[in-house]
Amino acid sequence: EAQVTQNPRYLITVTGKKLTVTCSQNMNHEYMSWYRQDPGLGLRQIYYSMNVEVTDKGDVPEGYKVSRKEKRNFPLILESPSPNQTSLYFCASSFTSGSINGELFFGEGSRLTVL
Amino acid sequence: GENVEQHPSTLSVQEGDSAVIKCTYSDSASNYFPWYKQELGKRPQLIIDIRSNVGEKKDQRIAVTLNKTAKHFSLHITETQPEDSAVYFCAAPGDQGGKLIFGQGTELSVKP
Repeated sequence: EAQVTQNPRYLITVTGKKLTVTCSQNMNHEYMSWYRQDPGLGLRQIYYSMNVEVTDKGDVPEGYKVSRKEKRNFPLILESPSPNQTSLYFCASSFTSGSINGELFFGEGSRLTVL
Repeated sequence: GENVEQHPSTLSVQEGDSAVIKCTYSDSASNYFPWYKQELGKRPQLIIDIRSNVGEKKDQRIAVTLNKTAKHFSLHITETQPEDSAVYFCAAPGDQGGKLIFGQGTELSVKP
């Protein structure tokens, strides 16, 4: 089954404790991206990757890191989480060789709470 | 950079009525405009998209119209049903190839 898998789905952590949210897709998609969803603000792009070893900032990259060492995986790293990073996070992937012009497939979401 | 504004933020209609959601974008070079539906507690899913070389696209009860001159595009849902209740997001490409900017979302409620 074609899917985007995120882990963990739910996490409560404390300020400053490094955490990683994993994302994996089995569709051989070149493009992967992370979004955060907050009430009234829609989906805001954190980072994206056009292919292996190619990553770039979205609109809200501060406080986050990513890596793309393999085509299928795109982990989101919070080196020192703060309460303002409490949010619902979505990973997404798409088959594209250039600009975004096709369907984004989203993971189920990871709800993160930073105390 | 690209900015996408979506209105209204909430919309309540009676079952069977039509619903219209509008989005405006700022980058005249944008050429792809998708709409996503997010049911409560679930992931966003693509429901329809349109490219800049057409002005309208239909898929059963949903349609999207695009006005490139005015830089706005709209989602039209006819004969609404309770299962259409969800949050709808429009989107447009950003100023870099990998950016996709989403609107703020519209919470549609269809009352039986």
